[in-house]
Amino acid sequence: DAEITQSPRHKITETGRQVTLACHQTWNHNNMFWYRQDLGHGLRLIHYSYGVQDTNKGEVSDGYSVSRSNTEDLPLTLESAASSQTSVYFCASSESRSAGNNEQFFGPGTRLTVL
Amino acid sequence: GQNIDQPTEMTATEGAIVQINCTYQTSGFNGLFWYQQHAGEAPTFLSYNVLDGLEEKGRFSSFLSRSKGYSYLLLKELQMKDSASYLCAVRLDRGSTLGRLYFGRGTQLTVWP
Repeated sequence: DAEITQSPRHKITETGRQVTLACHQTWNHNNMFWYRQDLGHGLRLIHYSYGVQDTNKGEVSDGYSVSRSNTEDLPLTLESAASSQTSVYFCASSESRSAGNNEQFFGPGTRLTVL
Repeated sequence: GQNIDQPTEMTATEGAIVQINCTYQTSGFNGLFWYQQHAGEAPTFLSYNVLDGLEEKGRFSSFLSRSKGYSYLLLKELQMKDSASYLCAVRLDRGSTLGRLYFGRGTQLTVWP
């Protein structure tokens, strides 16, 4: 069965370190998204991609970067981790940008703690 | 900016009916989604509306009024397992934001026995 996975599921790191969170989907979806979820804020979009070599900034992109070298993967990098980036991170994918009911499928999430 | 409002918390008893409202003011509209999220888990898709009216799917129904910028999720015959956060999300329809979802902060529903 097709799926979307994230790794690691839990990560503790120190302020200033570079951290990369992996996201891998086997749906063959063109669209992939990274969100963070914090109490009181809901899901906020960090970066997204509509295809290979395409990346776009979301609402809260400062301090984060992504790259899309193939259809299946969209790794999220925190260039220099800050305590404000402690959060739960969700990756999602969808088939189409606009047509009909093409829901976003979410990965299980990564809980990141920056000390 | 985009604004999506929904109540923070709601409570109900097992077997009852509950309606979770969502109002939105966004720069464009190309569909409204409802997701369910249990504590510590990923959001999962519940329903989708793009035209005005009611969409029914088992115990769950979702309603949309585009002219009023309003949607609700109706849950019938509540069960304990329905205790979760319910997320309202609007998909935009313009330019580089086409296909993006903007989420409300979620409504935490607690179902009591």
